[in-house]
Amino acid sequence: DGGITQSPKYLFRKEGQNVTLSCEQNLNHDAMYWYRQDPGQGLRLIYYSQIVNDFQKGDIAEGYSVSREKKESFPLTVTSAQKNPTAFYLCASSTLWRYEQYFGPGTRLTVT
Amino acid sequence: GENVEQHPSTLSVQEGDSAVIKCTYSDSASNYFPWYKQELGKGPQLIIDIRSNVGEKKDQRIAVTLNKTAKHFSLHITETQPEDSAVYFCAASIPQGGSGGYNKLIFGAGTRLAVHP
Repeated sequence: DGGITQSPKYLFRKEGQNVTLSCEQNLNHDAMYWYRQDPGQGLRLIYYSQIVNDFQKGDIAEGYSVSREKKESFPLTVTSAQKNPTAFYLCASSTLWRYEQYFGPGTRLTVT
Repeated sequence: GENVEQHPSTLSVQEGDSAVIKCTYSDSASNYFPWYKQELGKGPQLIIDIRSNVGEKKDQRIAVTLNKTAKHFSLHITETQPEDSAVYFCAASIPQGGSGGYNKLIFGAGTRLAVHP
């Protein structure tokens, strides 16, 4: 069953704690992305990676970090430096040189 | 700057009617325009897309039109059904250059479509 998986679906953390969101894909896609979605807003790009061991900041990278040690995996860490971490986080992937991005089911993070 | 405006923010129609959602983009270099459908609590699903060398594309009950001169593109859903109820997002690509040919997507704010039986 090919696709993108994100875990967990719901995540609760206390302020001041770092938290890591998982994203795995078995589509053999080279590029992977992390977006943040807030109510009433479009998706905003946090980080993206086109190849293993390389990644680029998106529009709202402050307070977030990523790694890309394997082609299939692109975990996102929400650090305590992120001022408003409560949001719906979406991971996506695509092949290189093609435009279509495919999304995972998302992780809803609540920080109190 | 990079911007995609989407209207309306909410749309309510009767089952069987048509629904139209419109987007305007700012970057003339944009050459790819996808539409996503997002159901509650789920990730967005790509439903149709269009490239800049095409003016219209249809797939069963959905169609997308593109006017590059005016920088407008629209999603048309005919014979709407209750299962069409969702939030719809448009996006426009912005070429970023580089060896990977990465195209950044800029998303509109979304349209919440409600189809009433």
